[in-house]
Amino acid sequence: GQNIDQPTEMTATEGAIVQINCTYQTSGFNGLFWYQQHAGEAPTFLSYNVLDGLEEKGRFSSFLSRSKGYSYLLLKELQMKDSASYLCASMDSNYQLIWGAGTKLIIKP
Amino acid sequence: GAVVSQHPSWVICKSGTSVKIECRSLDFQATTMFWYRQFPKQSLMLMATSNEGSKATYEQGVEKDKFLINHASLTLSTLTVTSAHPEDSSFYICSARDNLAGVTDTQYFGPGTRLTVL
Repeated sequence: GQNIDQPTEMTATEGAIVQINCTYQTSGFNGLFWYQQHAGEAPTFLSYNVLDGLEEKGRFSSFLSRSKGYSYLLLKELQMKDSASYLCASMDSNYQLIWGAGTKLIIKP
Repeated sequence: GAVVSQHPSWVICKSGTSVKIECRSLDFQATTMFWYRQFPKQSLMLMATSNEGSKATYEQGVEKDKFLINHASLTLSTLTVTSAHPEDSSFYICSARDNLAGVTDTQYFGPGTRLTVL
């Protein structure tokens, strides 16, 4: 079956670095997406990886290992506004997004 | 960047009434739009894939006669919740894929519509 696993909740300190892991098992693979979702709002796109390696975009970086079915989102210089849920989604062979349940990130001052 | 709008942002209705939610891509054309439902503290659940000019493809367990989808143009898809009941209360989110991008490109999300059925 298809499955996306990510931690339910993480806590980090303002100014620090946090890594949110995601493992996936999907029927085929056409890329791994990360979205940020603030409470009561729709998700916003953060990153897309389809090749192995690290993609850096400002304070946020995303890593993919296709052989391991593994990705992580790295957030640096954490700010209070980064408190949100982070959703991992894998695109399967039918180009459908299979969503994880999201990781709630709590930032403490 | 690509912008998707939804209208209304929130709606409260009585049980048994029908509610229409609009999803528009504002600065790009979208042959394919997606409708999701999200219950509190749960992941996005794909309800259906909306294709311009053809019938929507519904996910297993989603009643097509209850959730009517019309994708009449390249920039507009509508979801009508017919005879809404309290259990239909949820956050409904649409997304659209830019025609000019590849099929694996990002889905751009609308802001969502919060439906409360009394």
